Formats: sequence, C-alpha cells, structure tokens
Amino acid sequence: DGGITQSPKYLFRKEGQNVTLSCEQNLNHDAMYWYRQDPGQGLRLIYYSQIVNDFQKGDIAEGYSVSREKKESFPLTVTSAQKNPTAFYLCASSYSGGRHTGELFFGEGSRLTVL
Amino acid sequence: AQKITQTQPGMFVQEKEAVTLDCTYDTSDPSYGLFWYKQPSSGEMIFLIYQGSYDQQNATEGRYSLNFQKARKSANLVISASQLGDSAMYFCAMSRITGGGNKLTFGTGTQLKVEL
Repeated sequence: DGGITQSPKYLFRKEGQNVTLSCEQNLNHDAMYWYRQDPGQGLRLIYYSQIVNDFQKGDIAEGYSVSREKKESFPLTVTSAQKNPTAFYLCASSYSGGRHTGELFFGEGSRLTVL
Repeated sequence: AQKITQTQPGMFVQEKEAVTLDCTYDTSDPSYGLFWYKQPSSGEMIFLIYQGSYDQQNATEGRYSLNFQKARKSANLVISASQLGDSAMYFCAMSRITGGGNKLTFGTGTQLKVEL
C-alpha cells in the first residue's frame, strides 16, 4: 500500500542529545513537510521541501535540521539547540503544482519525549 | 499572512444528530484552499474535505459538508448523523493555491465527543 512511514513511533532522549526522526513515502510526491504539534495546539510547520536537494524553513525551524537527498525520504533532526523538543511530530507529503488540491497525506507521527 | 481561528475548544453531540464545527479564516491571497482534517486519539491526520476559494458550490463528502461563506470568511464543517467513531479532534486548515507544494496553516482544533 502507498503511504508515509514515520519511525520511531515513540522516542525518549536525554537533554543535550540530537535525535533523528525518519520519514519515508512511496506516493511519488514531490513535496514533503514536517509539522510539530503541542497539546491543545494546532500543527506548526518546521521545514518543507518541494524538490530533492532543496528545502525551506517553516515557521519554527530553529533547533531543527533536515535533508532531502532522495525523493522518498525527508528525515528531521532535532538538535540540542531546540529548547523545548518534547512534542508530537508529523511528516506529510503532497503533489506539487498542477491541478491537485494540495491535500497533505500524513504519517502516523513520532512522539518525542525529552527526559 | 494566513490565519485560521477555531473558537470551539470542545463540542458534544448525541449520536445520530448533526453538528457544526466553526472555522473562520483570514488571508489576503485571492486564491486559497480550505481543508478539514480529523485526528483520532491515535494521532494520525485524516483528510476529510476540501473547498477551493473559487468553487461555486459547497463541498460534500459523504456525511461531511463544508458550509463555505466567502464574504464572512467562514468554512464550517457539518457532520450529519454523528457516529461514535466521529469522536476526535478536528482541524481546519488553509493554503495558498500555488504551484510547487502546499503549506497548510492550521487552526487550534475542536475536540468533538459523540455521546449515546
């Protein structure tokens, strides 16, 4: 089945450690996104990529880094510079351009807890 | 900048009744898209319905319909014949209609509880 796979589903990290969240899609989508969700809040955009080897900062990029070396993969690294990294992270993808509505397809999320 | 406002943090509805979840938006873009997503307690985001700003008719998808009032900048979700499985968090979102990807701006969500 086509879809988006995020791993790990749950992750615990000590303060000061970097951690990388994986996101893989087999939908042949050009665009991929990372969102962060905190309790009682909506989703906020961290980074997005419209094409391989290119990505842009979203609204809350500080303390995060990404890469887009392959169309299928868009890993997110939460660095030690992120002041409050405990959150639920959602990866998404979409068609790019054309007549598509722009609907985002989401993975099941990764819940990061900093101890 | 785009902004989405959902003023109902929580809603209750009885099974088989209809419920309306409110969403207002603000944007200076001439073309935009409006979305509703459902987030069950498991966490995944499920796409429900889409409305383009130039669509003449309100969007419908099964039991979901979007009450689009462009002049009032509102895009309320109507769920007919509520079911227990509709209990979830619901998010309204909007985007610019441009090529090259689709960044969505989300509201803070409405928690819907369907009761027997």
